[in-house]
Amino acid sequence: DAGVIQSPRHEVTEMGQEVTLRCKPISGHNSLFWYRQTMMRGLELLIYFNNNVPIDDSGMPEDRFSAKMPNASFSTLKIQPSEPRDSAVYFCASSPRGLAGMGEQYFGPGTRLTVT
Amino acid sequence: SQQGEEDPQALSIQEGENATMNCSYKTSINNLQWYRQNSGRGLVHLILIRSNEREKHSGRLRVTLDTSKKSSSLLITASRAADTASYFCATDYNFNKFYFGSGTKLNVKP
Repeated sequence: DAGVIQSPRHEVTEMGQEVTLRCKPISGHNSLFWYRQTMMRGLELLIYFNNNVPIDDSGMPEDRFSAKMPNASFSTLKIQPSEPRDSAVYFCASSPRGLAGMGEQYFGPGTRLTVT
Repeated sequence: SQQGEEDPQALSIQEGENATMNCSYKTSINNLQWYRQNSGRGLVHLILIRSNEREKHSGRLRVTLDTSKKSSSLLITASRAADTASYFCATDYNFNKFYFGSGTKLNVKP
């Protein structure tokens, strides 16, 4: 199994530009999570989906952030417009478990975003 | 404290020694998980313990859960240099709430 795939691995962009991060979960997993990790704030859950439906987006910092999961094998996290404080490592994770208790999560390698 | 916080924040030991990390949380949980993160990499799931379990083993890992004290501990026995990483506890609480602590940075010196 290829594991969770994220692209790009690194992204450098200028303030004000749109950024789109992509994730392919492990086949057969029905939950998908987006996290952001910084030194200051640690690992923060932004949003998670179950069976392609957003369940909890309370962690999305503001309207500049949006996430979609059009099908079971693909999800995007978009930031528009980007700001320097969005610089972080963004992780996608998937899990074979559903809503009845979180199961183990499998993390992708992350996308390191730098906004200048 | 936040829901799920580890201590100590950093731990440095010699290879062969045991390493113990603790996690405390605030509200009732469904389960608690431990993850490892090597520098620059994604997190790797180590072990999951349910709220009705008290102890679980996996290889050199031993996890305990005390729901009365709202705390968990992760013990790594006979540590190796390759165990150098950050270790996080994650709590599954309320309904569909999931929270990672700030982690313990473990350094195992060869």
